[in-house]
Amino acid sequence: DSGVTQTPKHLITATGQRVTLRCSPRSGDLSVYWYQQSLDQGLQFLIQYYNGEERAKGNILERFSAQQFPDLHSELNLSSLELGDSALYFCASSVGQGEYEQYFGPGTRLTVT
Amino acid sequence: AQTVTQSQPEMSVQEAETVTLSCTYDTSESDYYLFWYKQPPSRQMILVIRQEAYKQQNATENRFSVNFQKAAKSFSLKISDSQLGDAAMYFCAYRSAMASYDKVIFGPGTSLSVIP
Repeated sequence: DSGVTQTPKHLITATGQRVTLRCSPRSGDLSVYWYQQSLDQGLQFLIQYYNGEERAKGNILERFSAQQFPDLHSELNLSSLELGDSALYFCASSVGQGEYEQYFGPGTRLTVT
Repeated sequence: AQTVTQSQPEMSVQEAETVTLSCTYDTSESDYYLFWYKQPPSRQMILVIRQEAYKQQNATENRFSVNFQKAAKSFSLKISDSQLGDAAMYFCAYRSAMASYDKVIFGPGTSLSVIP
């Protein structure tokens, strides 16, 4: 158990819908990262927050957004869902930035039908 | 942009034997970190080992060790005395030491099977 929690574990929804994925980092960790793992794209970095501020952006679609709240939990919002958005979404956290190791949550499996 | 390549999509090893997984990367940076992550069927991402680029000594964690060749941009993982529980997907990953570029770039992965 990494100490990072993600809810829900599984999510099934229809195309065009909007969903919110939630992540609680390990106690004391200030950085939160979101990754998408799909069969055709592999593991891709989406976005990073540090102490409430966006710090790095990867291949995140405009239909996706995220935020980190004052209590340091983070939410990833996916809207206008398409079949291709079906994937495993991981959240990871670390104490700070740069050299600190990232600890991954168990992931949220999103299926868009 | 940095890239990470794992040229072996699948590998197998006999239980108790040794196996080496290959990884190469491309970067123009001099300071960075390299990782091997394990993803078993449960899908949990587990950090196996990490290497700081400024360290010449190869990292070791119990049965897991790396061969880090900075000039060749190579970072292979050796698993000794392979166990059934080692069967998983293994990802090589790169992370810049620059705090302003804080993301991990993963390779495509190598699926390791352990034969009893």
